[in-house]
Amino acid sequence: GAGVSQTPSNKVTEKGKYVELRCDPISGHTALYWYRQSLGQGPEFLIYFQGTGAADDSGLPNDRFFAVRPEGSVSTLKIQRTERGDSAVYLCASSFIGEAYNEQFFGPGTRLTVL
Amino acid sequence: KQEVTQIPAALSVPEGENLVLNCSFTDSAIYNLQWFRQDPGKGLTSLLLIQSSQREQTSGRLNASLDKSSGRSTLYIAASQPGDSATYLCAAQGGSEKLVFGKGTKLTVNP
Repeated sequence: GAGVSQTPSNKVTEKGKYVELRCDPISGHTALYWYRQSLGQGPEFLIYFQGTGAADDSGLPNDRFFAVRPEGSVSTLKIQRTERGDSAVYLCASSFIGEAYNEQFFGPGTRLTVL
Repeated sequence: KQEVTQIPAALSVPEGENLVLNCSFTDSAIYNLQWFRQDPGKGLTSLLLIQSSQREQTSGRLNASLDKSSGRSTLYIAASQPGDSATYLCAAQGGSEKLVFGKGTKLTVNP
């Protein structure tokens, strides 16, 4: 079946602009996660949804970052007033919570470059 | 706060060699330990997940072990091939569902 998909694959924007990044999880997965990966680093957690609600948003760096998952499937990560330091690869993952373990499956990522 | 460390940061081996990648974590109260592979410019591919109640998991030439008491996991790759060249990441999952990652080990297998 189809895996996690993310669009766009690349996004170049100017400092101060607004961007939206989209994630389409694996069908039937109840949980959705956003991570951010800077060059040479491991991914860092941003936010986790269980269904439509954000169960844990402790990783969002500041109030310029916001994410939604209105129907419990597709999620959008929104970044306002982008800064050069926001440049990174944004990864989305999904999983089915309810089994004995929680294996997360990742999408290909969106590479964001803020000029 | 959970911290995950991977050693070495980079490893270069000749084809056919068996090798071990190391992962350590500071908080032993984990639910799972997951190993991933990442190719350049790509997302993460899940390789193995070890539940906290398990000691090891195997998939093909890969074997991952978990020792919660010492805060360590190892990924063993048998008979390495050039196609195994990638960055390998380990991630610990606690009660909050989020994964805490190490920085990865960049593996190069030379023909």
